Parts: sequence; structure tokens; C-alpha cells
Amino acid sequence: TQLLEQSPQFLSIQEGENLTVYCNSSSVFSSLQWYRQEPGEGPVLLVTVVTGGEVKKLKRLTFQFGDARKDSSLHITAAQPGDTGLYLCAGRGSARQLTFGSGTQLTVLP
Amino acid sequence: EAQVTQNPRYLITVTGKKLTVTCSQNMNHEYMSWYRQDPGLGLRQIYYSMNVEVTDKGDVPEGYKVSRKEKRNFPLILESPSPNQTSLYFCASLPSGGSYNEQFFGPGTRLTVL
Repeated sequence: TQLLEQSPQFLSIQEGENLTVYCNSSSVFSSLQWYRQEPGEGPVLLVTVVTGGEVKKLKRLTFQFGDARKDSSLHITAAQPGDTGLYLCAGRGSARQLTFGSGTQLTVLP
Repeated sequence: EAQVTQNPRYLITVTGKKLTVTCSQNMNHEYMSWYRQDPGLGLRQIYYSMNVEVTDKGDVPEGYKVSRKEKRNFPLILESPSPNQTSLYFCASLPSGGSYNEQFFGPGTRLTVL
């Protein structure tokens, strides 16, 4: 079973601060996805990265896939209270199965 | 509206009483799967189905059964629920050969087994 370690598990910051969430594995993934989950809802896809070294930006969110396709990071610039939520990384290995990280619960205080 | 629906959304039951959680998608997706989400463990895959009558175990299949008689439905069956199956369950679907952006999750079913 491929494992994904996500850190930190909890993060509480003030509005306007920057933050980075990490997703690491000893396994190679064909692609990696980042999801955000609100209470009482299912995860919603934010981005998919496929190529080693790939960087994608989604407004104030920057996603990077490691060169070896074993790790990824999510950087949020000038966090806002609306960014509060559970952030999950998920790696796709064989077949169509996704392996999820344990999640990072982000709280942005106004 | 394209969606994955699950029922019930909340369920409290007792040990040993068989239950079924339904999942339905209206997007004609071939692939469907079930996950459970527990604090600090992320989402773990229980079972998945590549198409009608094709199902396979995920990472944590013990204590669960599934069936895929129709493309749109993928029920999760707990023949004899136990307290360690108290969790938040999600169904998901995506098309075969589709891009990685097309996976949809249902709203979740919160199950408590007393």
C-alpha cells in the first residue's frame, strides 16, 4: 500500500499570513491531486499535477509536484478566512485508485 | 445537475444489525468507489468497481460488501456492523479514460454503530 504523509496536521494562522502544506511519500505517483473539504461535504478537487516539477497556480494557491513525483506542496499567499477547511492530498498510482494523505486542518482567523 | 447522491446522510444503529448505504450517480461513470474517513487517517478506500459486475477490494475491505448490478448504483453493505465501523463514508465516481479532474464525491454518510 502506498502511503502519503501530510504535514502539518493542524494549522491556525492569522488572516494575511502565508502558509505551506506538505505531502510526502516514498512511492512514485503518476499524478497527485489536492482537495479541499468543508464540514458536512465531500472533498472537492482543487488541482491535479502530473509532471515532475510541475507548478500550478490557482489565484493565491500555488501547487508544486516534486521532481521525482513523490511529494507535493500547497502554498497559500495572504490567507483569508474563506480558506479555512481540510486540505487533502491524494496520489494516483496503479489502476484508478487514489491514496489520500491524512489531511491538514487549516483555520484562518480574521 | 451532475451529482453523486448517498442515503442516508446520517445513521445510528446497533451492533449486528445489517445495513445498506446507497450511492447513485447520474453521470454514466464506469468507475465508482467507497471510502471511509476517520480523524487523522484521511480517506481510505474500502471497495471500488471498474464497471457493472466488476468489483475489487480497496485498502480496508474487511466487514464490508458491495455490489454493482447497474452502472449508476453502488451500494455499500455492512452485514454485521461493529463499533469500529463508526465513521464518515464517501462514495465517488469518475469515467474510465476520463481526465483526472473528473472525480466526484458524494456528500457523505455519517454512521454510528453502538
